[in-house]
Amino acid sequence: EIQLQESGPGLVKPSQSLSLTCSVTGYTITSGYDWSWIRKFPGNKMEWMGYISNSGSTNYNPSLKIRISITRDTSKNQFFLQLNSVTTEDTATYYCARFGYSEDYFDYWGQGVMVTVSS
Amino acid sequence: EIVLTQSPTTTAASPGEKVTITCLASSSVSDMYWYQQKSGASPKLLIYSTSNLASGVPDRFSGSGSGTSYSLTINTMEAEDAATYYCQQWSSNPLTFGSGTKLEIK
Repeated sequence: EIQLQESGPGLVKPSQSLSLTCSVTGYTITSGYDWSWIRKFPGNKMEWMGYISNSGSTNYNPSLKIRISITRDTSKNQFFLQLNSVTTEDTATYYCARFGYSEDYFDYWGQGVMVTVSS
Repeated sequence: EIVLTQSPTTTAASPGEKVTITCLASSSVSDMYWYQQKSGASPKLLIYSTSNLASGVPDRFSGSGSGTSYSLTINTMEAEDAATYYCQQWSSNPLTFGSGTKLEIK
């Protein structure tokens, strides 16, 4: 069974960096698919942040391009999110998800991790 | 960026009632995807490529549409369908989600 699990600090101070890990079991991230980060803000708005492909290339939402980095550790079957210079507007629940290989949808999601940006 | 506007924002339906949620795109898209998110859970794919039911999804759910107008229909509302629903497109980068529709049971 494919499972994704987010982990990371639940509280980050303004101007600092937010760093999250997505651990994947049941599928090797280099075998296929794209591996994404998505966030849901208070009030229900959802935003796709970006992905790292199975080959290691990245694609970021232009709205975040100067602040975001998605990397991976293939030996641990994990991928990572780093979001720099956070503000209170980055307070959200962050999800990692697998993006379809030949279809444009997310088929497996993590359970999500709530991150609050506050001093 | 393609903006997806869902309506209604919030609605309530009685068991057995038919529910339709609309997703209007700011530019034409080739396909639409729909997710259901229950409280405390992660989103679950319902419909892919506009009208195809995802695995395990009850056939009371259906999707349709083209161009800039798409819809998700629940033929007969059940209590377990109370959730927030989102449309999603990736005909144009960046991938975007709809504004969300909260569906409650009466």
